[in-house]
Amino acid sequence: AQSVTQPDIHITVSEGASLELRCNYSYGATPYLFWYVQSPGQGLQLLLKYFSGDTLVQGIKGFEAEFKRSQSSFNLRKPSVHWSDAAEYFCAVGPFGNEKLTFGTGTRLTIIP
Amino acid sequence: NAGVTQTPKFRVLKTGQSMTLLCAQDMNHEYMYWYRQDPGMGLRLIHYSVGEGTTAKGEVPDGYNVSRLKKQNFLLGLESAAPSQTSVYFCASSLLTRAGVINEQFFGPGTRLTVL
Repeated sequence: AQSVTQPDIHITVSEGASLELRCNYSYGATPYLFWYVQSPGQGLQLLLKYFSGDTLVQGIKGFEAEFKRSQSSFNLRKPSVHWSDAAEYFCAVGPFGNEKLTFGTGTRLTIIP
Repeated sequence: NAGVTQTPKFRVLKTGQSMTLLCAQDMNHEYMYWYRQDPGMGLRLIHYSVGEGTTAKGEVPDGYNVSRLKKQNFLLGLESAAPSQTSVYFCASSLLTRAGVINEQFFGPGTRLTVL
């Protein structure tokens, strides 16, 4: 069975600093990987996804993520965070041909001035 | 397009009461899902549907029932609410492409349910 681990429950970053959120997955074959963002009181919005091809994927709002098969990781990065990036971030994994996704427990991002 | 909408946005129930949450999508998606979100536990799949007239159990189905009579609607029912069902409920939908690839899920804004 697939699983996702987001080891950081809460991260605090200064505005303008770089950001990396960690995501590790467990799955036997090449997975489909997603990062979602949830602003307070809102639903989840897709930031980016990886299905195949280039292992560095670009998403919305200046985010990117890199798929590393050898490390079973799909970490999310942003070079310079903005106060509006404060939210909860979820990593999700799904195998090819399977309609179900497995979500991590989320990382809450706080931005300080 | 409205995307995925959920009704109601908030609800307070007493233990033992019943209610139905409605999810509607206007994107002609085949797949629809119900999740619950609890602090520190992420999203857990309750039930899902791969097409009109079909439903399947997810990770935490007990105490819930679902129906998908129309492609655009997915209903989640609580027959006898319990305090353990206090949560935020999210509906989502996704499109099955011709290649068989499941695309990303699109989420509704959520329903906050409190069971006293």
